[in-house]
Amino acid sequence: AQKITQTQPGMFVQEKEAVTLDCTYDTSDQSYGLFWYKQPSSGEMIFLIYQGSYDEQNATEGRYSLNFQKARKSANLVISASQLGDSAMYFCAMRDLGRNNFNKFYFGSGTKLNVKP
Amino acid sequence: EPEVTQTPSHQVTQMGQEVILRCVPISNHLYFYWYRQILGQKVEFLVSFYNNEISEKSEIFDDQFSVERPDGSNFTLKIRSTKLEDSAMYFCASSNRGRSYEQYFGPGTRLTVT
Repeated sequence: AQKITQTQPGMFVQEKEAVTLDCTYDTSDQSYGLFWYKQPSSGEMIFLIYQGSYDEQNATEGRYSLNFQKARKSANLVISASQLGDSAMYFCAMRDLGRNNFNKFYFGSGTKLNVKP
Repeated sequence: EPEVTQTPSHQVTQMGQEVILRCVPISNHLYFYWYRQILGQKVEFLVSFYNNEISEKSEIFDDQFSVERPDGSNFTLKIRSTKLEDSAMYFCASSNRGRSYEQYFGPGTRLTVT
């Protein structure tokens, strides 16, 4: 069974500092995709960043980077230079790119990030 | 920028009633999904739909649920006989072929069953 684990239910970070949100996953498949989504208090789901299991380099999107450690099955999100608008719930998700469960996404339980001024 | 839309934004219904939640995915997308999120909890996959049929569904998606793409633009989720525990935010998402199969989420429909 595939599983996403986010062990930090809540995190605080000072504005302008960097923060790492942890995500580990469990899969026996070789081909998969990892995603991070942001959910502000307004409720919408906003895509942040993607990492494919075969990508050799860590993904980066502006202030977001994904620290992908395949052997450890971890895909931590790093937010640099935190802003007050980064305060939100963050979800890690995985999509299996193999034959089985081809079109199914698995979400973690989320980390609530609070950025302090 | 194209976006996924969902109607209504909030639906209140009585237990046992049928509800239909509507979604308009991004027009050139091929894969469609429904998720639910019970208040304060994680996002749970319900079903994915491709080529006019269900491609995957979760154990949550039982006989009380059905999906349909009636007219080539709308994508609906029907709950036949709602229960109190169906109260949640329901998200529609769509994606296209591509390296990441990135999903674009709609704003959600909050369903309240009383």
